[in-house]
Amino acid sequence: NAGVTQTPKFQVLKTGQSMTLQCAQDMNHNSMYWYRQDPGMGLRLIYYSASEGTTDKGEVPNGYNVSRLNKREFSLRLESAAPSQTSVYFCASSEVRTGLFTDTQYFGPGTRLTVL
Amino acid sequence: GQQLNQSPQSMFIQEGEDVSMNCTSSSIFNTWLWYKQDPGEGPVLLIALYKAGELTSNGRLTAQFGITRKDSFLNISASIPSDVGIYFCAGPSNAGGTSYGKLTFGQGTILTVHP
Repeated sequence: NAGVTQTPKFQVLKTGQSMTLQCAQDMNHNSMYWYRQDPGMGLRLIYYSASEGTTDKGEVPNGYNVSRLNKREFSLRLESAAPSQTSVYFCASSEVRTGLFTDTQYFGPGTRLTVL
Repeated sequence: GQQLNQSPQSMFIQEGEDVSMNCTSSSIFNTWLWYKQDPGEGPVLLIALYKAGELTSNGRLTAQFGITRKDSFLNISASIPSDVGIYFCAGPSNAGGTSYGKLTFGQGTILTVHP
């Protein structure tokens, strides 16, 4: 049981390049999330998917797009990378049963992205 | 938007000491969560609090949901080297209306434990 997996673990891009960060979960969770982590800023939500086939913006969506490919997979795409997108990116998933807020969010190990 | 402020930002302690950290919000939360992030890993949930005044323990960790519902506290007793990491508080995010499990995180408290 792998939980939440992310690829790649590390990536270096040049300004203007594009890339897709992959995330998959094997816990049959409905909801999935993408966060970025910057020093002193905590984790900030980029996009989330409440269920298969739906996606919505979070706190910091500019410069990113997402795809909920199926129930297992949720990808994050940078179309034209900028140095301000240098960060650690985390994917998470949770069950989110109706009427019960806080099912645990399970996080992947992160992708460390540097944009030069 | 909602903001969670954690203090202190960092702590350097000796093994065996007790640790206290807190999290405050400008708005009321009905759930408080505490996560720990080990170096190079993703955050892991430590404790969840659902009721004002609630005090919950998980081993050497104790967390409290403040009675004003605008703050929460985390204490670690008799610290050990593996307590090193970043501790985050979090609460439900109301951005966009429905929660859908979205979280707002504090900026984290970095804990260093010297053997």
